[in-house]
Amino acid sequence: QQQVKQSPQSLIVQKGGIPIINCAYENTAFDYFPWYQQFPGKGPALLIAIRPDVSEKKEGRFTISFNKSAKQFSLHIMDSQPGDSATYFCAGRSGAGSYQLTFGKGTKLSVIP
Amino acid sequence: EAGVAQSPRYKIIEKRQSVAFWCNPISGHATLYWYQQILGQGPKLLIQFQNNGVVDDSQLPKDRFSAERLKGVDSTLKIQPAKLEDSAVYLCASSLDWTALEAFFGQGTRLTVV
Repeated sequence: QQQVKQSPQSLIVQKGGIPIINCAYENTAFDYFPWYQQFPGKGPALLIAIRPDVSEKKEGRFTISFNKSAKQFSLHIMDSQPGDSATYFCAGRSGAGSYQLTFGKGTKLSVIP
Repeated sequence: EAGVAQSPRYKIIEKRQSVAFWCNPISGHATLYWYQQILGQGPKLLIQFQNNGVVDDSQLPKDRFSAERLKGVDSTLKIQPAKLEDSAVYLCASSLDWTALEAFFGQGTRLTVV
């Protein structure tokens, strides 16, 4: 059972554009939603995260929007740069008792100059 | 601060052979994870250690996969015998504690089974 559905699978934007990556989750026990960024040949690295009691979180050019009732959240990258080209994974963390991350399938973002 | 170290970076083996991966987590991190990342998919948790004890191994194919964490620090993941479908990147990650608020990943070991 895929508990975190991520779309699109790939995304191409021009420099300065605002790519948006969407995720939907099924498990209502998720209590924490991180986004990880992965460059080729590297392991994923935490980019930004949000808890379900907050509707939006900004860190620099990265913003998470969260809709608890719809069980959806999204990542927006403002003023995207070629250096943002990477694969992005959303995830949900199961709650107390067994804290584990369930990842989406990833979105490969290409920012062209 | 040194990151999570993994070796080898790449491994090619024939099916039915055995293979082992090694991981050295960030110093002081109590929790260690092994993930399997198949091409085009997100990381899938195989096993989670808290210090040297197993917290969760429900998705570890125990008929062929085994893992241990020696003295609560380094860890090894073994596959025996390997199957074609085991071809993937095996990622080791560690976190300061068991809350998984931030996991630090190594570069991974890319396994190809032929």
